[in-house]
Amino acid sequence: DAGVIQSPRHEVTEMGQEVTLRCKPISGHNSLFWYRQTMMRGLELLIYFNNNVPIDDSGMPEDRFSAKMPNASFSTLKIQPSEPRDSAVYFCASSLGAVDIQYFGAGTRLSVL
Amino acid sequence: AQKVTQAQTEISVVEKEDVTLDCVYETRDTTYYLFWYKQPPSGELVFLIRRNSFDEQNEISGRYSWNFQKSTSSFNFTITASQVVDSAVYFCALSEAQTTGRRALTFGSGTRLQVQP
Repeated sequence: DAGVIQSPRHEVTEMGQEVTLRCKPISGHNSLFWYRQTMMRGLELLIYFNNNVPIDDSGMPEDRFSAKMPNASFSTLKIQPSEPRDSAVYFCASSLGAVDIQYFGAGTRLSVL
Repeated sequence: AQKVTQAQTEISVVEKEDVTLDCVYETRDTTYYLFWYKQPPSGELVFLIRRNSFDEQNEISGRYSWNFQKSTSSFNFTITASQVVDSAVYFCALSEAQTTGRRALTFGSGTRLQVQP
């Protein structure tokens, strides 16, 4: 079975540009999580969906960040406008239920110049 | 609030040595889950183990073993006879299971393990 699929794997953009990260969770999983990994802050939750509904967005840094899950098989994380401090690795994870094992995608490495 | 502490930033051992990675957690929930993930140099996060708060039995899987002690809020991970392929960053994480608990994983800062040949 395919795991969590993220695209793109790498993204380089200039400050001020819009960036969209994509995630396809494992089929049948009903919980989806977006995490960000930086040297300074480590791995931290951005937002968590359950059955396509955002449940916890306490980690979303500011209004520049938005996330959607239009259906059970697709989610996006958008940054508009992007800033250099957004440079990080963004991970998507999915789980069968909210407290089940979270399986991670390979991550998207974002560089904002 | 929940918190996970991995006090060891980096550990270096020689192949075949045993090594223990420490993890201490804080939570107000009585029902919670503890995890270990491995992040090899390629960058992905690989699930290793999940334990729930009611199961304090130690677990062994090949060269890996885990020691869960609620009395000290610790969930330590031991690699026996380490190998170069074990070189990675290891993360301990916590999620809460009660209705008002935090479902997302709270990660420790990670321990970088270097196994020298």
